[in-house]
Amino acid sequence: DIVMTQSPDSLAVSLGERATINCKSSQSVLYISNNKNYLAWYQQKPGQPPKLLIYWASTRESGVPDRFSGSGSGTDFTLTISSLQAEDVAVYYCQHYYSSPYTFGQGTKLEIK
Amino acid sequence: EVQLLESGGGLVQPGGSLRLSCAASGFTFSTNAMSWVRQAPGKGLEWLSVISNGGGTTDYADSVKGRFIISRDNSKNTLYVQMNSLRAEDTAAYYCVKSRSGAINDGFDLWGQGTMVTVSS
Repeated sequence: DIVMTQSPDSLAVSLGERATINCKSSQSVLYISNNKNYLAWYQQKPGQPPKLLIYWASTRESGVPDRFSGSGSGTDFTLTISSLQAEDVAVYYCQHYYSSPYTFGQGTKLEIK
Repeated sequence: EVQLLESGGGLVQPGGSLRLSCAASGFTFSTNAMSWVRQAPGKGLEWLSVISNGGGTTDYADSVKGRFIISRDNSKNTLYVQMNSLRAEDTAAYYCVKSRSGAINDGFDLWGQGTMVTVSS
Protein backbone atom coordinates (compact mmCIF):
# COMPACT_ATOMS: atom_id res chain seq x y z
CA ASP A 1 0.00 0.00 0.00
CA ILE A 2 1.12 3.56 -0.68
CA VAL A 3 1.54 5.53 2.53
CA MET A 4 0.89 9.27 2.38
CA THR A 5 2.71 11.42 4.95
CA GLN A 6 1.89 15.09 5.38
CA SER A 7 3.96 17.76 7.09
CA PRO A 8 3.50 19.60 9.28
CA ASP A 9 0.64 18.15 11.32
CA SER A 10 -0.45 21.69 12.17
CA LEU A 11 0.42 25.12 10.94
CA ALA A 12 -0.34 28.67 12.08
CA VAL A 13 0.02 31.44 9.52
CA SER A 14 -0.81 35.15 9.65
CA LEU A 15 -3.57 36.53 7.46
CA GLY A 16 -2.22 37.47 4.05
CA GLU A 17 0.87 35.32 4.42
CA ARG A 18 1.78 32.15 2.51
CA ALA A 19 0.89 28.71 3.81
CA THR A 20 2.70 25.61 2.56
CA ILE A 21 1.70 22.02 3.24
CA ASN A 22 3.80 19.07 2.11
CA CYS A 23 2.78 15.56 1.18
CA LYS A 24 5.10 12.65 0.52
CA SER A 25 4.09 9.29 -0.91
CA SER A 26 5.94 6.07 -0.10
CA GLN A 27 6.19 5.30 -3.81
CA SER A 28 5.74 7.30 -6.98
CA VAL A 29 2.18 8.19 -7.99
CA LEU A 30 3.31 9.38 -11.43
CA TYR A 31 1.79 7.22 -14.16
CA ILE A 32 4.44 7.15 -16.86
CA SER A 33 2.08 6.32 -19.75
CA ASN A 34 0.12 9.58 -19.41
CA ASN A 35 2.62 11.63 -17.37
CA LYS A 36 0.01 12.38 -14.72
CA ASN A 37 0.46 12.41 -10.97
CA TYR A 38 -2.50 10.66 -9.34
CA LEU A 39 -2.67 13.04 -6.38
CA ALA A 40 -5.48 15.20 -5.00
CA TRP A 41 -5.82 17.78 -2.24
CA TYR A 42 -8.95 18.31 -0.13
CA GLN A 43 -10.07 20.94 2.34
CA GLN A 44 -12.29 20.04 5.29
CA LYS A 45 -13.80 22.80 7.38
CA PRO A 46 -15.24 22.02 10.83
CA GLY A 47 -18.54 20.17 10.64
CA GLN A 48 -18.40 19.86 6.85
CA PRO A 49 -17.45 17.10 4.41
CA PRO A 50 -14.16 17.45 2.53
CA LYS A 51 -14.03 19.52 -0.65
CA LEU A 52 -11.81 18.83 -3.65
CA LEU A 53 -9.28 21.61 -4.24
CA ILE A 54 -6.67 20.13 -6.60
CA TYR A 55 -6.43 17.02 -8.77
CA TRP A 56 -3.67 15.64 -11.00
CA ALA A 57 -1.40 17.28 -8.38
CA SER A 58 -1.72 20.75 -9.89
CA THR A 59 -5.11 21.20 -11.59
CA ARG A 60 -7.40 23.48 -9.61
CA GLU A 61 -11.01 22.33 -9.31
CA SER A 62 -13.61 24.65 -10.79
CA GLY A 63 -14.57 27.42 -8.38
CA VAL A 64 -11.49 27.08 -6.19
CA PRO A 65 -9.78 30.46 -5.62
CA ASP A 66 -6.51 30.89 -7.47
CA ARG A 67 -4.62 31.50 -4.22
CA PHE A 68 -4.64 27.69 -3.92
CA SER A 69 -2.04 25.90 -6.00
CA GLY A 70 -0.55 22.43 -6.12
CA SER A 71 2.87 21.35 -7.27
CA GLY A 72 5.25 18.42 -7.24
CA SER A 73 5.75 15.13 -9.01
CA GLY A 74 6.59 11.53 -8.27
CA THR A 75 6.64 11.29 -4.49
CA ASP A 76 6.82 14.87 -3.24
CA PHE A 77 3.96 17.33 -3.44
CA THR A 78 3.03 20.73 -2.05
CA LEU A 79 -0.19 22.64 -1.51
CA THR A 80 0.37 26.38 -1.33
CA ILE A 81 -2.06 29.07 -0.24
CA SER A 82 -0.49 32.27 -1.50
CA SER A 83 -2.29 34.72 0.77
CA LEU A 84 -4.14 33.20 3.71
CA GLN A 85 -7.72 34.26 4.24
CA ALA A 86 -9.78 33.69 7.39
CA GLU A 87 -12.05 31.26 5.52
CA ASP A 88 -9.07 29.00 4.76
CA VAL A 89 -8.96 27.71 8.35
CA ALA A 90 -9.47 23.98 7.86
CA VAL A 91 -7.80 20.60 7.81
CA TYR A 92 -6.13 19.77 4.51
CA TYR A 93 -5.64 16.24 3.21
CA CYS A 94 -3.67 14.85 0.32
CA GLN A 95 -4.77 11.59 -1.30
CA HIS A 96 -3.35 9.40 -4.01
CA TYR A 97 -5.55 7.58 -6.50
CA TYR A 98 -2.75 5.72 -8.28
CA SER A 99 -3.70 2.23 -7.10
CA SER A 100 -5.99 0.71 -4.53
CA PRO A 101 -6.17 1.41 -1.63
CA TYR A 102 -6.53 5.13 -2.34
CA THR A 103 -5.05 6.34 0.91
CA PHE A 104 -5.16 9.80 2.45
CA GLY A 105 -2.50 11.65 4.39
CA GLN A 106 -3.12 12.15 8.09
CA GLY A 107 -4.20 15.76 7.58
CA THR A 108 -2.70 19.16 8.32
CA LYS A 109 -4.61 21.57 10.53
CA LEU A 110 -4.25 25.16 9.35
CA GLU A 111 -4.95 27.98 11.78
CA ILE A 112 -4.56 31.74 11.90
CA LYS A 113 -1.58 33.10 13.83
CA GLU B 1 -28.76 20.85 -7.41
CA VAL B 2 -25.87 18.40 -7.55
CA GLN B 3 -25.87 16.43 -4.34
CA LEU B 4 -25.39 13.15 -2.55
CA LEU B 5 -27.62 12.24 0.39
CA GLU B 6 -26.65 9.36 2.65
CA SER B 7 -29.04 7.50 4.89
CA GLY B 8 -29.18 4.36 6.98
CA GLY B 9 -26.73 5.19 9.74
CA GLY B 10 -27.42 4.57 13.40
CA LEU B 11 -26.53 2.52 16.44
CA VAL B 12 -25.77 -1.17 15.94
CA GLN B 13 -24.38 -3.85 18.21
CA PRO B 14 -21.00 -5.46 17.58
CA GLY B 15 -21.39 -8.26 15.08
CA GLY B 16 -24.46 -6.65 13.60
CA SER B 17 -25.23 -5.43 10.10
CA LEU B 18 -26.32 -2.20 8.51
CA ARG B 19 -26.97 -1.03 4.97
CA LEU B 20 -26.20 2.53 3.99
CA SER B 21 -27.75 4.20 0.97
CA CYS B 22 -26.72 7.25 -0.99
CA ALA B 23 -29.20 9.02 -3.25
CA ALA B 24 -27.57 11.00 -6.03
CA SER B 25 -29.15 13.90 -7.87
CA GLY B 26 -28.20 16.67 -10.26
CA PHE B 27 -25.80 14.67 -12.42
CA THR B 28 -25.83 11.56 -14.61
CA PHE B 29 -25.19 8.97 -11.91
CA SER B 30 -24.31 6.16 -14.33
CA THR B 31 -21.37 8.15 -15.70
CA ASN B 32 -19.24 8.22 -12.58
CA ALA B 33 -17.46 5.75 -10.35
CA MET B 34 -18.50 6.04 -6.71
CA SER B 35 -16.79 5.36 -3.39
CA TRP B 36 -17.38 5.18 0.33
CA VAL B 37 -15.00 7.02 2.68
CA ARG B 38 -15.26 7.11 6.45
CA GLN B 39 -13.99 9.33 9.23
CA ALA B 40 -13.85 8.18 12.84
CA PRO B 41 -14.64 10.91 15.39
CA GLY B 42 -11.76 13.39 15.52
CA LYS B 43 -9.70 11.34 13.06
CA GLY B 44 -8.66 11.47 9.43
CA LEU B 45 -10.19 10.11 6.24
CA GLU B 46 -10.16 6.43 5.30
CA TRP B 47 -11.10 5.24 1.80
CA LEU B 48 -13.15 2.05 2.02
CA SER B 49 -14.47 0.94 -1.33
CA VAL B 50 -15.04 1.92 -4.96
CA ILE B 51 -17.43 0.75 -7.67
CA SER B 52 -17.14 1.50 -11.37
CA ASN B 53 -19.81 3.45 -13.20
CA GLY B 54 -21.45 0.31 -14.52
CA GLY B 55 -21.00 -1.64 -11.33
CA GLY B 56 -18.84 -4.34 -12.88
CA THR B 57 -15.68 -3.50 -10.96
CA THR B 58 -15.35 -3.12 -7.21
CA ASP B 59 -12.46 -2.82 -4.80
CA TYR B 60 -12.06 -2.64 -1.04
CA ALA B 61 -9.66 -1.56 1.66
CA ASP B 62 -8.27 -4.48 3.63
CA SER B 63 -10.00 -3.18 6.77
CA VAL B 64 -13.44 -3.96 5.29
CA LYS B 65 -12.74 -6.62 2.69
CA GLY B 66 -14.98 -9.63 3.24
CA ARG B 67 -17.31 -7.67 5.54
CA PHE B 68 -18.58 -4.78 3.39
CA ILE B 69 -20.22 -5.03 -0.03
CA ILE B 70 -20.58 -2.01 -2.29
CA SER B 71 -23.27 -1.93 -4.97
CA ARG B 72 -25.24 0.52 -7.05
CA ASP B 73 -28.56 0.76 -8.84
CA ASN B 74 -28.17 3.16 -11.75
CA SER B 75 -31.91 3.03 -12.46
CA LYS B 76 -32.50 4.48 -8.99
CA ASN B 77 -29.42 6.76 -8.89
CA THR B 78 -28.44 5.11 -5.63
CA LEU B 79 -25.23 3.77 -4.14
CA TYR B 80 -25.22 1.23 -1.33
CA VAL B 81 -22.88 -0.41 1.11
CA GLN B 82 -23.88 -3.50 3.06
CA MET B 83 -21.85 -3.63 6.25
CA ASN B 84 -21.65 -6.95 8.10
CA SER B 85 -19.79 -8.19 11.17
CA LEU B 86 -19.50 -4.65 12.46
CA ARG B 87 -16.88 -3.82 15.05
CA ALA B 88 -16.38 -0.94 17.46
CA GLU B 89 -13.62 0.38 15.21
CA ASP B 90 -16.15 0.80 12.38
CA THR B 91 -17.71 3.67 14.34
CA ALA B 92 -17.42 6.67 12.03
CA ALA B 93 -19.15 9.11 9.75
CA TYR B 94 -19.59 7.42 6.38
CA TYR B 95 -19.37 9.57 3.26
CA CYS B 96 -20.68 8.75 -0.18
CA VAL B 97 -18.27 10.18 -2.73
CA LYS B 98 -18.43 10.77 -6.49
CA SER B 99 -15.38 10.29 -8.68
CA ARG B 100 -14.56 12.90 -11.29
CA SER B 101 -14.97 10.33 -14.05
CA GLY B 102 -16.02 6.78 -14.75
CA ALA B 103 -12.54 5.56 -13.87
CA ILE B 104 -12.20 3.94 -10.47
CA ASN B 105 -8.90 5.76 -9.91
CA ASP B 106 -9.77 9.43 -9.97
CA GLY B 107 -10.22 12.32 -7.57
CA PHE B 108 -13.42 12.76 -5.56
CA ASP B 109 -15.27 15.90 -6.66
CA LEU B 110 -18.52 15.57 -4.71
CA TRP B 111 -19.08 14.43 -1.12
CA GLY B 112 -22.27 13.78 0.77
CA GLN B 113 -22.84 15.23 4.23
CA GLY B 114 -22.18 11.84 5.80
CA THR B 115 -24.17 9.46 7.95
CA MET B 116 -22.98 8.39 11.39
CA VAL B 117 -22.57 4.73 12.28
CA THR B 118 -22.00 3.82 15.92
CA VAL B 119 -21.09 0.26 16.83
CA SER B 120 -21.64 -0.31 20.53
CA SER B 121 -23.39 -2.64 22.93
